[in-house]
Amino acid sequence: EAQVTQNPRYLITVTGKKLTVTCSQNMNHEYMSWYRQDPGLGLRQIYYSMNVEVTDKGDVPEGYKVSRKEKRNFPLILESPSPNQTSLYFCASSSLTGTSGNSYEQYFGPGTRLTVT
Amino acid sequence: GIQVEQSPPDLILQEGANSTLRCNFSDSVNNLQWFHQNPWGQLINLFYIPSGTKQNGRLSATTVATERYSLLYISSSQTTDSGVYFCAVEQPGGYQKVTFGTGTKLQVIP
Repeated sequence: EAQVTQNPRYLITVTGKKLTVTCSQNMNHEYMSWYRQDPGLGLRQIYYSMNVEVTDKGDVPEGYKVSRKEKRNFPLILESPSPNQTSLYFCASSSLTGTSGNSYEQYFGPGTRLTVT
Repeated sequence: GIQVEQSPPDLILQEGANSTLRCNFSDSVNNLQWFHQNPWGQLINLFYIPSGTKQNGRLSATTVATERYSLLYISSSQTTDSGVYFCAVEQPGGYQKVTFGTGTKLQVIP
């Protein structure tokens, strides 16, 4: 089954304790991305990756790191979490190939609800 | 950056009614996608529609890229249609930077 998986699904942690949220896809997609969703603000892009070892900042990258060492995995790292990073996080992936050469259709993981106290 | 506005922000429908959701964007876009976020938070693909019209059962979507808007039509609404509907656009430049609208929250009542 084609899917995007995230772990953990729920996490409560304390300020300053480093954490990693994993994301994995089994569709051989080149493109992967992280979003955060906050009430009233919709989904905002944190980081995205066009392929292995190619990453770039989205609209809200501060306080986050990512890496893309393998095509299927795109972990999100919070080196020193703060309460303002309490949010619902989504990972997504898509292919970069299509009839127009740059078309995509994003597939989302189930989400990770993070609480930083 | 590109601005994406959705209207209406909230919508309450009687089961069986039809509705139109709108997504306006401030600049040309490479791609546009509609999603449904169900009450459990799951994001479900509805349409990938950079231009033209598509239909899938009771749902259809139209994007008029030259006029910078997209419409999502829901016919004969059901309670399972409740949730939040988002449009998302890929900004020009081909760098896969994506901007979401703030969504339309739909409640379908029996």
